[in-house]
Amino acid sequence: AQSVAQPEDQVNVAEGNPLTVKCTYSVSGNPYLFWYVQYPNRGLQFLLKYITGDNLVKGSYGFEAEFNKSQTSFHLKKPSALVSDSALYFCAAPRGGYNKLIFGAGTRLAVHP
Amino acid sequence: EAGVTQFPSHSVIEKGQTVTLRCDPISGHDNLYWYRRVMGKEIKFLLHFVKESKQDESGMPNNRFLAERTGGTYSTLKVQPAELEDSGVYFCASSLTGNSPLHFGNGTRLTVT
Repeated sequence: AQSVAQPEDQVNVAEGNPLTVKCTYSVSGNPYLFWYVQYPNRGLQFLLKYITGDNLVKGSYGFEAEFNKSQTSFHLKKPSALVSDSALYFCAAPRGGYNKLIFGAGTRLAVHP
Repeated sequence: EAGVTQFPSHSVIEKGQTVTLRCDPISGHDNLYWYRRVMGKEIKFLLHFVKESKQDESGMPNNRFLAERTGGTYSTLKVQPAELEDSGVYFCASSLTGNSPLHFGNGTRLTVT
């Protein structure tokens, strides 16, 4: 069965430090993978996606993600965290339709001043 | 352009009552999706409309849930009768095509007591 997993419930980072939010996947065929972010009391916002091509994908707000086929991972990264990056992050993949997504459980990112 | 709007933002009802959630997609978006996040778990797909037709309703949990999209514009999701396990956040999303990015609303937080 296709799935995505986010092994960390919460990630704590000091402002200015690099951050990584982890995602692993189990999907058949060539995976499409997405990252979404949810700020407090807001809906999910698209950050970036991997379809094919370069393994390093750049997205909104300075985020990037690295697709690693051998490790079946798609970790979200940012070189220098901001307090305003504090939010809930979701990894997702399509199942049975491009926008019929399965989501990970979410990782809460807390960036401390 | 206006984003996806959902109403109400919060709803508290008693077990056995009926609740109707509304979603107004971005104008011109033929594709409309309902998702929900129950009890802090994964966000799960409920159903997908293309215009007024249900393209995929495989995620609807049971026959207490009824979604409609008359005229292919706004959509409603009715829960009747509501049960305690229906508590969660219900998200609506729309997209221009089936393969274009999803735009999510802020969600409706439903609490069944």
